[in-house]
Amino acid sequence: DIQMTQSPASLSASLEEIVTITCQASQDIGNWLAWYQQKPGKSPQLLIYGATSLADGVPSRFSGSRSGTQYSLKISRLQVEDIGIYYCQQASSAPWTFGGGTKLELK
Amino acid sequence: EVQLVESGGGLVQPGRSLKLSCVASGFTFSNYGMNWIRQAPGKGLEWVAYISSGSSYIYYAETVKGRFTISRDNAKNTLYLQMTSLRSEDTALYYCARLEPRYWYFDFWGPGTMVTVSS
Repeated sequence: DIQMTQSPASLSASLEEIVTITCQASQDIGNWLAWYQQKPGKSPQLLIYGATSLADGVPSRFSGSRSGTQYSLKISRLQVEDIGIYYCQQASSAPWTFGGGTKLELK
Repeated sequence: EVQLVESGGGLVQPGRSLKLSCVASGFTFSNYGMNWIRQAPGKGLEWVAYISSGSSYIYYAETVKGRFTISRDNAKNTLYLQMTSLRSEDTALYYCARLEPRYWYFDFWGPGTMVTVSS
């Protein structure tokens, strides 16, 4: 199975700050990676797919990038509504696996 | 509007069985692969099972293989998860999720149904 190692596990940041979350894949998954945001008490919602493509309706302050088997989610200017838990997911092959999550809080 | 609504969760004793359902609307259900994904209380996401649009391909996580069975009824726009030999570690919120067929991400999720395995 492909392992996804996500870091950091938790992150405290200020409004308007730049935030970066990373995921390391245990093997080559190409651009087969998605990012999700989960707000308290809600289902996960897709942010990024294909490693870099923004899902419909997602604000442009979110962006995804890839360097080899390391993937990053960047929030350019943190807003209050961005608070929640973020997960990466490899879409290369079954079993589809998720990173452990990053809990993003306001400082 | 795409909607997925799960049901069938509840409190069940270890070793017993439970069947979950997910009713889909707002899209052509028979064109999409579907999944069950679970989240234990306070924990992360774990993919559980996948079934292709015509039920030809079925995959399971190792943690549930041999105990859980995924199925679908395209005429009823309904996805199922039959769970047997339930364990305490199966306690989780179970989500039904649609698989986007080109990039293999989960593009729509239901609100989930809670399964608690306890004596």
